[in-house]
Amino acid sequence: GESVGLHLPTLSVQEGDNSIINCAYSNSASDYFIWYKQESGKGPQFIIDIRSNMDKRQGQRVTVLLNKTVKHLSLQIAATQPGDSAVYFCAENINNAGNMLTFGGGTRLMVKP
Amino acid sequence: DAGVIQSPRHEVTEMGQEVTLRCKPISGHDYLFWYRQTMMRGLELLIYFNNNVPIDDSGMPEDRFSAKMPNASFSTLKIQPSEPRDSAVYFCASRGGGGSYGYTFGSGTRLTVV
Repeated sequence: GESVGLHLPTLSVQEGDNSIINCAYSNSASDYFIWYKQESGKGPQFIIDIRSNMDKRQGQRVTVLLNKTVKHLSLQIAATQPGDSAVYFCAENINNAGNMLTFGGGTRLMVKP
Repeated sequence: DAGVIQSPRHEVTEMGQEVTLRCKPISGHDYLFWYRQTMMRGLELLIYFNNNVPIDDSGMPEDRFSAKMPNASFSTLKIQPSEPRDSAVYFCASRGGGGSYGYTFGSGTRLTVV
């Protein structure tokens, strides 16, 4: 994801609808990806991860899709709930770049009741 | 498991003062990371340690910032002297070895320098 400076991209969805949050990455050497959720006043919280040898991974109500051809990652949240309102970050681990994660700029998800 | 513990949660200080942020990683985790988060720059990695040894400090803004990890259960990030532009939320995160690179973050310290 790209840093967006002062303004985070925002996705507004109706409660009960599905949400899709997207993230683009640029380094083809990235071999591991994570989605984090950050609620107001809290630290980022791990949601789900995926390795580059996979193209899909499912968790509880969440699915991560990885398209290495176009270097695109998405997080799908089924039946979005008010408690899902937060900022979502994608992070990537670049192979042979040490043990550091590089974080995208984040997307704010707002769930309307 | 109490998670990653940071203190204080909030710190307000005057410009020029020394600020010390503290972190207790999850027991058994051998990597510790310090991040800074601002609206303008998002999450920035400042420094990380492996087995208490600093590995990469290229993200530390300038000499006013220093970090130490005297043992496996404690790390500090110090700013001396502090400046208003240091105002941000500072996060500590830790991770263990193995095949997962996922970090566990603390709740952060919100620093305001006036």
